[in-house]
Amino acid sequence: QVQLVQSGAEVKKPGASVKVSCKASGYTFTRYYIHWVRQAPGQGLEWMGIINPRNGSTTYAQKFQGRVTMTRDASPNTVYMELSSLRSEDTAFYYCARGGYGGYANWGQGTLVTVSS
Amino acid sequence: EIVLTQSPGTLSLSPGERVALSCRASRSISSSYLAWYQQIPGQAPRLLIYGASFRATGIPDRFSGSGSGTDFTLRISRLEPEDFAVYYCQHYGSSTGTFGQGTKLEFK
Repeated sequence: QVQLVQSGAEVKKPGASVKVSCKASGYTFTRYYIHWVRQAPGQGLEWMGIINPRNGSTTYAQKFQGRVTMTRDASPNTVYMELSSLRSEDTAFYYCARGGYGGYANWGQGTLVTVSS
Repeated sequence: EIVLTQSPGTLSLSPGERVALSCRASRSISSSYLAWYQQIPGQAPRLLIYGASFRATGIPDRFSGSGSGTDFTLRISRLEPEDFAVYYCQHYGSSTGTFGQGTKLEFK
């Protein structure tokens, strides 16, 4: 079955960068876009951007342009989301999700990133 | 950029009741790319509806979606205890994924 498994929780200091991974299995990796969504504590869902695993092309939400980088490694079926210049407001759960015409049917378990001095 | 506005923010209801949740887009969007998600605290969101009206795999038929243009609705015909959660609408595509701010269903 389709699975997206994310890397573990991170604690970072303000100004640092964090890189979260999302390993896909159970389907052809290059056939579906991967989206990144974050959720601050007690807040709603916020779309960050998308990567095409076939060619690595990306589109980022305007809010994160210049601070986020999404990459992929076809072997081993993993995408990465790196967020730089972290501030306390970036404390959130970060999710990867498999996209398609049928919405985001599959999600990773989420990675908590805590930004604290 | 399209903005999705959900209403109401919170609904207090009892099991067995029926409910309609609204999602309004700031301009017309294709119904092919409108989805609804349910999120229980501590869990990742779960896809309920895609293409405005198609139930995702395994979703009970008490959930239904409708709408077009700028106005979309998620209906739950008879609330079960496990339905008390937060619901989000989303406009998705190959270069976007905007979410509404969510509607919380809470026990009356």
